[in-house]
Amino acid sequence: SAVISQKPSRDICQRGTSLTIQCQVDSQVTMMFWYRQQPGQSLTLIATANQGSEATYESGFVIDKFPISRPNLTFSTLTVSNMSPEDSSIYLCSVEDSTRSYEQYFGPGTRLTVT
Amino acid sequence: AQTVTQSQPEMSVQEAETVTLSCTYDTSESDYYLFWYKQPPSRQMILVIRQEAYKQQNATENRFSVNFQKAAKSFSLKISDSQLGDAAMYFCAYRSALQGFGNEKLTFGTGTRLTIIP
Repeated sequence: SAVISQKPSRDICQRGTSLTIQCQVDSQVTMMFWYRQQPGQSLTLIATANQGSEATYESGFVIDKFPISRPNLTFSTLTVSNMSPEDSSIYLCSVEDSTRSYEQYFGPGTRLTVT
Repeated sequence: AQTVTQSQPEMSVQEAETVTLSCTYDTSESDYYLFWYKQPPSRQMILVIRQEAYKQQNATENRFSVNFQKAAKSFSLKISDSQLGDAAMYFCAYRSALQGFGNEKLTFGTGTRLTIIP
């Protein structure tokens, strides 16, 4: 399975600022995903990022708030813009292995606290 | 839209015993994939087991097995010989077999917190 790293692992940010989260995969993948996990909750998909095309956002998430880059097949970034305390969550990236019944493998997550 | 329901917010089991976690889902599709993920306190999401809907045989991975009832839209996880390291949140997830138009996403249940009693 793919090995995924995320930076930073955690951060404490002030409201109104922005944070960019990096996701690096050890192999080339087509599909990358960004999820949000609010405290004590399940995972909710923010957007799907394919290399070479614009990210596709889920209902309730917009590009101005969560801009995503996907410059190549092993890397993606998610920016959380103009943060508020409601953005305090764990943000996880994942990749899909289409050769193994579309299993998704997750990075270790970034724990964001907004004060 | 598909939905996934986990009706047991918390479960506990004695070490070395067997426990079953429940999951039901709702879909109009005939072909799809189901997964169980484990999230320990370290928050790393770990894939435990997967089931292809077109397969009648239940998936097994060492101490983990599933009971897949397609007609009932049920997908339970059985953990045998429970160990302290099994303590975690367990999430059931659904993925359509279709490609494109957002079908690649995983839809997660709300999770079951499993406690192992020594």
